[in-house]
Amino acid sequence: AQSVTQLGSHVSVSEGALVLLRCNYSSSVPPYLFWYVQYPNQGLQLLLKYTTGATLVKGINGFEAEFKKSETSFHLTKPSAHMSDAAEYFCAVRANTGNQFYFGTGTSLTVIP
Amino acid sequence: GAGVSQTPSNKVTEKGKYVELRCDPISGHTALYWYRQSLGQGPEFLIYFQGTGAADDSGLPNDRFFAVRPEGSVSTLKIQRTERGDSAVYLCASSLFGSNTEAFFGQGTRLTVV
Repeated sequence: AQSVTQLGSHVSVSEGALVLLRCNYSSSVPPYLFWYVQYPNQGLQLLLKYTTGATLVKGINGFEAEFKKSETSFHLTKPSAHMSDAAEYFCAVRANTGNQFYFGTGTSLTVIP
Repeated sequence: GAGVSQTPSNKVTEKGKYVELRCDPISGHTALYWYRQSLGQGPEFLIYFQGTGAADDSGLPNDRFFAVRPEGSVSTLKIQRTERGDSAVYLCASSLFGSNTEAFFGQGTRLTVV
């Protein structure tokens, strides 16, 4: 079975500061990992994904995440927050033999000017 | 269209009524998913289609919920005898075949049962 834990339902950072959103997963088989962003009243948009290969993956809008198997983590980072980054962020896991995506409960990011 | 399209965007219905929610996936995507998202929660899996068949319907909460995809493209989620607890945003997503592919989401249908 797969599951995702996102520590911190709300994160606030100052504009220009580092963004760190945490995601830990549980999976009995090698997972595929995803980060999605959701702006108010919109659907989910893919930020980045890890399937195989390089464990540091880069996504859109300057975000990146690193797959750490030993820590079962896939934390999302961005060096410098922008006001437009304010949104809800969801981490998701999918088994490499699976169908459905399992989502975390989300982290709401607030950027303070 | 360029993305996943869901209609209607908003639906208000009375308790006990029947509703249908429509999803038009990205052309060529064989996989289609329905999720439900309650306020402050992550998306909750309902059902997954591969082509015309429901490959995994383990997330449907009870027999009031049913979904079809008769021609392997458009899908309809059907809810009978709606209850106030069914109020949520219903998200549809589609993807290419393969578990390493990402899902593309529509903007959702906000269902309110009064």
